[in-house]
Amino acid sequence: KQEVTQIPAALSVPEGENLVLNCSFTDSAIYNLQWFRQDPGKGLTSLLLIQSSQREQTSGRLNASLDKSSGRSTLYIAASQPGDSATYLCAVRAQGGSEKLVFGKGTKLTVNP
Amino acid sequence: SQTIHQWPATLVQPVGSPLSLECTVEGTSNPNLYWYRQAAGRGLQLLFYSVGIGQISSEVPQNLSASRPQDRQFILSSKKLLLSDSGFYLCAWIPRTGLHEQYFGPGTRLTVT
Repeated sequence: KQEVTQIPAALSVPEGENLVLNCSFTDSAIYNLQWFRQDPGKGLTSLLLIQSSQREQTSGRLNASLDKSSGRSTLYIAASQPGDSATYLCAVRAQGGSEKLVFGKGTKLTVNP
Repeated sequence: SQTIHQWPATLVQPVGSPLSLECTVEGTSNPNLYWYRQAAGRGLQLLFYSVGIGQISSEVPQNLSASRPQDRQFILSSKKLLLSDSGFYLCAWIPRTGLHEQYFGPGTRLTVT
C-alpha cells in the first residue's frame, strides 16, 4: 500500500530565504507526482506535475524534483515571500491505470516579513 | 478553459438531517471525478471516485453515498448526517487526455450540529 510522508509538518522561515519541502513515498511504481498549495479555507491549487519519466519541473520560483528510485520528491521555493505562506501537499498516482491519488498530510509553511 | 463549481460553499445541518452536495465541471468531457473530505487536523481522505456516468467507487464505508447522473456532475449525499461528517468537502477532477493533472474545486464547509 502506497504511503506518502511529508516532513516537516510545519516550517517557519524569514522572508527571502530559499527553502526545501520534502515528500517521500513507499512504492516507486508511480505514474506521476503532483505538488499542491492550499490556503486556509480554500481548495487545492496545482503547482507542479512531474511525470514518472521526468526528473524535475519548474514554474517561476518553484522547482520540483523527483527521484523515483529513492522514493523522494522535493519542492524548492526560491526567495520566499509572505504570500507563499500556505500548506503544501504532494500526491502520487500509481502506475498500472490506478485512478486514485495518495496524498501526504502536508507541510504548513509560514514566511515571516 | 475548464472550471469546477461546488455548492453550497458553507452548510450547517443538524444531526440526522439529509445532505446533498453538488459538483459540476465545465469545459471538458468524460473526466474522472472525485470527492474528498478534509477533517480538522487530518489529511485529505478520498471518499468516492467515478470514471463515468453511473460508475462509482467507494473508498470508505460510511453513511455517505455518491452519484454521477450526468457526465460532468457529481453529487455527494447522506440520508442522515452524523457529527463526524463535519469537515471540508472537496470535489476534484482529472481529464482523460493530456497530463492527467488533478484539479480541485473551492470546497464546501459542512458543520453538523
